Amino acid sequence: EAQVTQNPRYLITVTGKKLTVTCSQNMNHEYMSWYRQDPGLGLRQIYYSMNVEVTDKGDVPEGYKVSRKEKRNFPLILESPSPNQTSLYFCASTRTSGTGEQFFGPGTRLTVL
Amino acid sequence: DQQVKQNSPSLSVQEGRISILNCDYTNSMFDYFLWYKKYPAEGPTFLISISSIKDKNEDGRFTVFLNKSAKHLSLHIVPSQPGDSAVYFCAASARYTGANSKLTFGKGITLSVRP
Repeated sequence: EAQVTQNPRYLITVTGKKLTVTCSQNMNHEYMSWYRQDPGLGLRQIYYSMNVEVTDKGDVPEGYKVSRKEKRNFPLILESPSPNQTSLYFCASTRTSGTGEQFFGPGTRLTVL
Repeated sequence: DQQVKQNSPSLSVQEGRISILNCDYTNSMFDYFLWYKKYPAEGPTFLISISSIKDKNEDGRFTVFLNKSAKHLSLHIVPSQPGDSAVYFCAASARYTGANSKLTFGKGITLSVRP
């Protein structure tokens, strides 16, 4: 089954404790992206990757890091989480030569105390 | 500055009637538009799209209309069903103008279909 998976689905942590949210897709997509969803703000892009070893900032990259060492994986790293990073996070992927529809993972709800 | 705007946060319609969800954009470089549907505790799922060379695209009960001169698009759902109750996001990309696959999303609108 074609899918984007994220882990963990739910996470409660404390300020300053480094964490990683994993994202994996099995569709051989070149493009992967991270979004956060906040009430009244919709979906905002954090980082994206056009292919292996190619990453770039989205609209709200502050406080986040990413890496793309393999085509299927695109982890999101919070080196020192803060309460304003409490949010619902989605990973998505698509083919760069495709019709533009992105496939989304199920989401990770993060709470930073 | 928000480039994709969904100005109505919510919409409630009766089952069987038409739902019209509106979206406006400001960036003239956008040439491809998509609608996503999101249920609670799930990721957004693609619903329907339209290229800027068209003014209408239909898929079953869902039709998207694009008015380029007004920079406005709308999603029509006919007839509306209770299972359509969800958050709907409008998204846009500059797909044919050399930009990457980036999607810019609106804030979303919550549709409630009353039985």
